Amino acid sequence: AQTVTQSQPEMSVQEAETVTLSCTYDTSENNYYLFWYKQPPSRQMILVIRQEAYKQQNATENRFSVNFQKAAKSFSLKISDSQLGDTAMYFCAFMKQNTGFQKLVFGTGTRLLVSP
Amino acid sequence: AAGVIQSPRHLIKEKRETATLKCYPIPRHDTVYWYQQGPGQDPQFLISFYEKMQSDKGSIPDRFSAQQFSDYHSELNMSSLELGDSALYFCASSLGRGAYNEQFFGPGTRLTVL
Repeated sequence: AQTVTQSQPEMSVQEAETVTLSCTYDTSENNYYLFWYKQPPSRQMILVIRQEAYKQQNATENRFSVNFQKAAKSFSLKISDSQLGDTAMYFCAFMKQNTGFQKLVFGTGTRLLVSP
Repeated sequence: AAGVIQSPRHLIKEKRETATLKCYPIPRHDTVYWYQQGPGQDPQFLISFYEKMQSDKGSIPDRFSAQQFSDYHSELNMSSLELGDSALYFCASSLGRGAYNEQFFGPGTRLTVL
């Protein structure tokens, strides 16, 4: 079974600064996807960024980028130029790449507070 | 753009009652997933459907059942409700199966069992 661990329950950052959220995972699979989801106070789950394990290049989406270390099974999220709207719970998630119907396995989340 | 619709958004039930949650996927999406998120917890996968057939099953209690209809909407039926069933229930949909198909989440149904 796959497990996802987020060791930082809460983090704080000031507006315009950079913050990194950590995520580690455990799997015996070789092909998989990793995700970061954002859950703001509205509780809506929003996909932030996705990384395919077979790709060596780290994914980036505007101010969001990841540091994917496959050998270390580490998948951290870097948020640059933090904005007040980034305040949310952030979940790291794992999905196998096998054919079929894919369920997401989530970590326990990191609550990020961006202050003025 | 159309999003995943869930109804009702809030539901209050008594113990041992029955509840039905509905999910309307994004048009043309043929795959539906249900997740349960308890208070202060991460979402847990319950069950998924593809083309009206159950495709995967997670930690879904036997008291719960679900199905996907011909118009691809899905319903999660919950019987003999317990206090521990109080949670936010998410539905997500995707176009096709596979990890490369992004799951789009609905706003969730908050179920409170008293």
